[in-house]
Amino acid sequence: QKEVEQDPGPLSVPEGAIVSLNCTYSNSAFQYFMWYRQYSRKGPELLMYTYSSGNKEDGRFTAQVDKSSKYISLFIRDSQPSDSATYLCAMSPNFNKFYFGSGTKLNVKP
Amino acid sequence: DAGVTQSPTHLIKTRGQQVTLRCSPKSGHDTVSWYQQALGQGPQFIFQYYEEEERQRGNFPDRFSGHQFPNYSSELNVNALLLGDSALYLCASSLTLGEQFFGPGTRLTVL
Repeated sequence: QKEVEQDPGPLSVPEGAIVSLNCTYSNSAFQYFMWYRQYSRKGPELLMYTYSSGNKEDGRFTAQVDKSSKYISLFIRDSQPSDSATYLCAMSPNFNKFYFGSGTKLNVKP
Repeated sequence: DAGVTQSPTHLIKTRGQQVTLRCSPKSGHDTVSWYQQALGQGPQFIFQYYEEEERQRGNFPDRFSGHQFPNYSSELNVNALLLGDSALYLCASSLTLGEQFFGPGTRLTVL
């Protein structure tokens, strides 16, 4: 079993839709949770960082962590064609080693 | 303020050769991590360097080695290249305990 599971998609939505991206994990020691956006053939760009359980909002992005269910989510409101990319979840118990999901490819249609 | 930089951008090698990839961390960052990302996959952790020492290592063979210099820059060395080593190699920098910021990567092709 992989440490982090993420649906690869692709996920296709119309412009303006609310997007929900999710990851599940098996290691209860994970405390730090991150979401990255990666455009084709580029390095990942950090979008959101959350410590332990709870919600965090930044503009159109909201990250949620439910440690009891070992489930994290990223919501994108008012999605734009420029949001089309691969979204990677990442998590770590101690910032020494990070575990990534395989990424979900998102396509926002104009 | 320059972010994380990596060189070279692209590299083509043949099986059995050795390669060295380089990374300069974001200003103020003291920790460098290296990842291998195969096409269509998420990044896989290779190792992390802090204070010029390897602090943590992923499930990669000893053919993969690294170094961190006093100015916090880092090198990744891969010996005896295999076809399966073809991937995007990513460097990420951070403060001692903090979020990681990635460079643009080096695309390695092994023929």
